[in-house]
Amino acid sequence: NAGVTQTPKFQVLKTGQSMTLQCAQDMNHEYMSWYRQDPGMGLRLIHYSVGAGITDQGEVPNGYNVSRSTTEDFPLRLLSAAPSQTSVYFCASRFGGRGGYTFGSGTRLTVV
Amino acid sequence: DQQVKQNSPSLSVQEGRISILNCDYTNSMFDYFLWYKKYPAEGPTFLISISSIKDKNEDGRFTVFLNKSAKHLSLHIVPSQPGDSAVYFCAATTYNNNDMRFGAGTRLTVKP
Repeated sequence: NAGVTQTPKFQVLKTGQSMTLQCAQDMNHEYMSWYRQDPGMGLRLIHYSVGAGITDQGEVPNGYNVSRSTTEDFPLRLLSAAPSQTSVYFCASRFGGRGGYTFGSGTRLTVV
Repeated sequence: DQQVKQNSPSLSVQEGRISILNCDYTNSMFDYFLWYKKYPAEGPTFLISISSIKDKNEDGRFTVFLNKSAKHLSLHIVPSQPGDSAVYFCAATTYNNNDMRFGAGTRLTVKP
């Protein structure tokens, strides 16, 4: 049981490049979310999904796209990287109803 | 707009004593509150939660208290252990639990 797996763990991008952060969970969780963590800001919600084919925007969605074609996978796409997107990105999942998220170990992204 | 605030960036306590971490929120629609613990280079781990219909929830050494009138919650750890040293995040959400907002975190150091 791997839980929530994020790849890559580290990435350096040049301004304007695009890339996809991968997230997969093997717990059959309905809900999945992407957060970014910045110093002094806590974790901020980028996008979330309540099931395959259903996604919605969170607090800071600009510059990011998501899709949920399967229950297991929830990739986050950076369309045109900017230095302001330098952050640590966490993917998380949980069952429906009340409860806490299971988080992945994060992707540290630097945009130069 | 920081709807969940942890005003103490850090806290240091002696092993065996009580640790009290505080959290304030501004959105009166929040009705479910959670605490997460985070070690360096790992994702946050769900610790304990409380619904707004309760004012206290215990799980072993961890107790969360909720004061709805003051829009304040706290996490008590008794007794504190060196292994509790981590960053603690407070989180809050509304009934649909899709948009979970986090505080900036408090770094707890438990000294042997």
